[in-house]
Parts: sequence; structure tokens; C-alpha cells
Amino acid sequence: AQSVTQLDSHVSVSEGTPVLLRCNYSSSYSPSLFWYVQHPNKGLQLLLKYTSAATLVKGINGFEAEFKKSETSFHLTKPSAHMSDAAEYFCVVSDWGTGGFKTIFGAGTRLFVKA
Amino acid sequence: GAVVSQHPSWVICKSGTSVKIECRSLDFQATTMFWYRQFPKQSLMLMATSNEGSKATYEQGVEKDKFLINHASLTLSTLTVTSAHPEDSSFYICSYRDSSYNEQFFGPGTRLTVL
Repeated sequence: AQSVTQLDSHVSVSEGTPVLLRCNYSSSYSPSLFWYVQHPNKGLQLLLKYTSAATLVKGINGFEAEFKKSETSFHLTKPSAHMSDAAEYFCVVSDWGTGGFKTIFGAGTRLFVKA
Repeated sequence: GAVVSQHPSWVICKSGTSVKIECRSLDFQATTMFWYRQFPKQSLMLMATSNEGSKATYEQGVEKDKFLINHASLTLSTLTVTSAHPEDSSFYICSYRDSSYNEQFFGPGTRLTVL
């Protein structure tokens, strides 16, 4: 069965410093992995996705993530945080399981950016 | 990417009334759509999978008689919350999975408040 664990419920960084949001997953087959961002009272926006191509995935707004199968991780990073990055971030795994195609959301990590 | 719309974007209703939420795929035909619910400060939880022309599949713990799903066409799926109560107040989000791109496209969400 698939599962997603976001290791931090919230992360606080200063503007201009690096961002690291951690995500571990479990999947029986070959999963697709995604990071979505959700600003307050807004819908979901796709940041990036991994679908068995290059393990280092570049997304929008300077974000990137690296798929590490040996560590079952898909951490999200950004070299320099901006105030507008403050939001909720969700790590998501999609895969085929015994119950059919499933998409599982992590619990979310709230990113705070200090001026 | 594909465009998914939801209507209404927000709704306030009295306890005991029913509310219908529409989810439309604007530029593709969606054979399968997903309905999610997100409580404040929580992640998205899959409620049900809506299949065009057949009965929806509900996740464990989701009352099928309370959350009626109709997917009568390839471009429209509806979620009706029957006899709504304050505990049904939540953010409801629909999604379509595009197997060609192995990605899900999310609607902007509908915020339901039951007084």
C-alpha cells in the first residue's frame, strides 16, 4: 500500500536562505511523485512531478526535488526562499495498488518565510 | 495542462439543506474524476472516485448516501451533500487524472460552510 510521510509539519526560514521540505514514501510498484503548493484559501498548484524519468526534477518558481529510490525520499528544495513562497506544501504519491489507482497526499508542511 | 472548474467556489447553507457542487472538465473528456475533502489545516482526503456512467466508489468511512456523486457525462461530475450539518463544513476539491501525462489536475475547490 502507498503512503507518504512529510517529516515536518512546519518549517520556518529567513528570506534568501535555502528551503528543504522532506518527504518519504512507500509504494509497491513504480510510483509517480508530486509536490503541490496551496496558498491560503486557494486550490492546488503543481510545483513538479517525477514519473520515472530523470531523478532530479526541476519545477516552477525555482523549486526542485530529487527522487532517491534507495532512501525512498523525494525532498523538495529551493536555493533561496522568497516571501511569496510562504504556503502549505503537499507531497503526493500516485500508484496502482490492489484497490486500483490511488493518489495519496502527505499531511502537508507549512512553510513560513521571515523577512 | 488540463483545466478543471468547480461551481460554486463557496457556499453557505443552513443545517439540514442539501448542496450540489459541480466539477467540469473544460478541455478534455474525463472518464474518471476524484473527489477530495480538506478540513482546516489538514491534508486532502480522498472521498470517492467518480466513474462516468457507473456508480462511484467510496473510500472507507465516507457515507455514500450522504455524499451523492453523479458523473453522467464526460465533462461533468457533481457532488451533492445531503442534509448538511456543521461538521460537513470543509473545502471540497475535484480532480481528473490524465493517464497520458500520469498527472492529476485539480479544480480550484469549493468551500462549504454549514451554519
